[in-house]
Amino acid sequence: GENVEQHPSTLSVQEGDSAVIKCTYSDSASNYFPWYKQELGKRPQLIIDIRSNVGEKKDQRIAVTLNKTAKHFSLHITETQPEDSAVYFCAASSPGGGNKLTFGTGTQLKVEL
Amino acid sequence: GAVVSQHPSRVICKSGTSVKIECRSLDFQATTMFWYRQFPKQSLMLMATSNEGSKATYEQGVEKDKFLINHASLTLSTLTVTSAHPEDSSFYICSASGLAGPDTQYFGPGTRLTVL
Repeated sequence: GENVEQHPSTLSVQEGDSAVIKCTYSDSASNYFPWYKQELGKRPQLIIDIRSNVGEKKDQRIAVTLNKTAKHFSLHITETQPEDSAVYFCAASSPGGGNKLTFGTGTQLKVEL
Repeated sequence: GAVVSQHPSRVICKSGTSVKIECRSLDFQATTMFWYRQFPKQSLMLMATSNEGSKATYEQGVEKDKFLINHASLTLSTLTVTSAHPEDSSFYICSASGLAGPDTQYFGPGTRLTVL
């Protein structure tokens, strides 16, 4: 089955700096890679996703890049703000796997003033 | 769009009792619903996948007789934790797909279960 690894587990940045979270996956058939933001005690919220036919996708301060050959994808947050502080999860799925999401272990992002 | 609700948000029960959790997609028809469990400071672990009118598919290690899943309609799935024990205490979250394709999942707000 799919295995998703995520790094770092914790990330502390100064407000206004950029943050990068990286994930690798094992199943070459995976074709959908969403990123979720989860605040303490709340639901995971989809913030951006990318499919395997695209190498990069951007939405305002958030971007995701995908390298299919190396089987890794990254989340980039620019101009970080205190409200970006949360746990971020990457995930991967494939149609052959019933579109089940396999999640990474999460990254606790802290944006300091 | 893509609103998923869950009820109850919190439940405390005695050991040995059963608890039912409802998951509803409010503004779209969910072809598939998923149930996850999340322990403190850990990732989401998929428990089972359910499609309307079909039996749920459980992940390895998840007891189907203990975690009963019913997907009665395209907008409602229920998870019943039977004979709950303290080790079943966790955050249970459902998700639904079908609005933006079969792969995009939208999550409910979760149910915090505490078994005394």
